[in-house]
Amino acid sequence: SQTIHQWPATLVQPVGSPLSLECTVEGTSNPNLYWYRQAAGRGLQLLFYSVGIGQISSEVPQNLSASRPQDRQFILSSKKLLLSDSGFYLCAWTSGIGNTIYFGEGSWLTVV
Amino acid sequence: AQSVTQPDIHITVSEGASLELRCNYSYGATPYLFWYVQSPGQGLQLLLKYFSGDTLVQGIKGFEAEFKRSQSSFNLRKPSVHWSDAAEYFCAVGVRGSQGNLIFGKGTKLSVKP
Repeated sequence: SQTIHQWPATLVQPVGSPLSLECTVEGTSNPNLYWYRQAAGRGLQLLFYSVGIGQISSEVPQNLSASRPQDRQFILSSKKLLLSDSGFYLCAWTSGIGNTIYFGEGSWLTVV
Repeated sequence: AQSVTQPDIHITVSEGASLELRCNYSYGATPYLFWYVQSPGQGLQLLLKYFSGDTLVQGIKGFEAEFKRSQSSFNLRKPSVHWSDAAEYFCAVGVRGSQGNLIFGKGTKLSVKP
């Protein structure tokens, strides 16, 4: 069966420090991968999605970037964090168009 | 542009009472429709989905939802709520032809009174 994992689960980082959140999917190949952010009291906002290695689409301009160095690995990064980057980040995957999106456990980021 | 509206930010029901969470979408064609549930500090779990066919879909944990094209709605229902159903519920729309991206509503927080 397919599984998705993301880490770290919790992160407290100072303003201006770098960020790296990692997500991996097991049990499938060539998934579509997603990074969502959920800010307090708000819905989910799609940040990035990827349909293949090295293919990244950004949905909103921001201080973050994403990379997909391997088929089942998706990384969310920042060179310098802002206070507004705080939130709950969710990685997700789907096997293709029209299929269900499955979410990881989420990563809490607090920028102080 | 596609959008999803969950009109109720917070709902409180008594344990054992029935529940209906509302979801309306804006999309020119028949979308894919989903309901997810999120417990505090956790990821999202799929409750049910509608792609095509029977407009009444059954999900996990005793939930069901009905797609009504004429009303652009996909309301979530449960006949008898349990205390463990307290969580936040998200409706989402998948756009046909997109790369599987979902558009989420802002969520409805459900509280259950004993």
